[in-house]
Amino acid sequence: QQPVQSPQAVILREGEDAVINCSSSKALYSVHWYRQKHGEAPVFLMILLKGGEQKGHDKISASFNEKKQQSSLYLTASQLSYSGTYFCGTALERSQGNLIFGKGTKLSVKP
Amino acid sequence: KAGVTQTPRYLIKTRGQQVTLSCSPISGHRSVSWYQQTPGQGLQFLFEYFSETQRNKGNFPGRFSGRQFSNSRSEMNVSTLELGDSALYLCASRVLAVSTDTQYFGPGTRLTVL
Repeated sequence: QQPVQSPQAVILREGEDAVINCSSSKALYSVHWYRQKHGEAPVFLMILLKGGEQKGHDKISASFNEKKQQSSLYLTASQLSYSGTYFCGTALERSQGNLIFGKGTKLSVKP
Repeated sequence: KAGVTQTPRYLIKTRGQQVTLSCSPISGHRSVSWYQQTPGQGLQFLFEYFSETQRNKGNFPGRFSGRQFSNSRSEMNVSTLELGDSALYLCASRVLAVSTDTQYFGPGTRLTVL
């Protein structure tokens, strides 16, 4: 039931793009994306609902493919501040409080 | 608005002891969820409280318990600590009123069991 994230880790140079995927074997109601820096709390990035539109702010956007039950997080023109571990949390139902998280994708952006 | 706060930030205990962790949600948020984060297992759901009632429970032994007070503050308790309980314990709060409900995490309590 735990979503599968890929890749597990990625190293980028500043200005490069990256895509992080989150796949579920279950039909999802929503996908929640978080970024966590070492020693800090996970910070909410965005939420995707089934039937909803692609979301985005600044140079980070995400989509949700209901047919594949897969969400993708797109980071364009990466900055040093994008470094951290990205987690997707999935909910099968509306108002579900127990998000099921993937194991995370560690993103390192080098100068 | 102030964010989610958790106390204490760090704890060191020995096996067999018990521990109580505290979480104050964002003002106006009535739901509090607790998660355990370890390098091996990642983020795992413990339980969720809403209006002082446990709404959901994860797959953890009965040594893990929680409660919520009328002001929405929540505590979790772990009794008879084991080495494997060493982890970062995170709480997250949300409004629980809209379909785009977002959980906001606190900084966590780092528990080390010796």
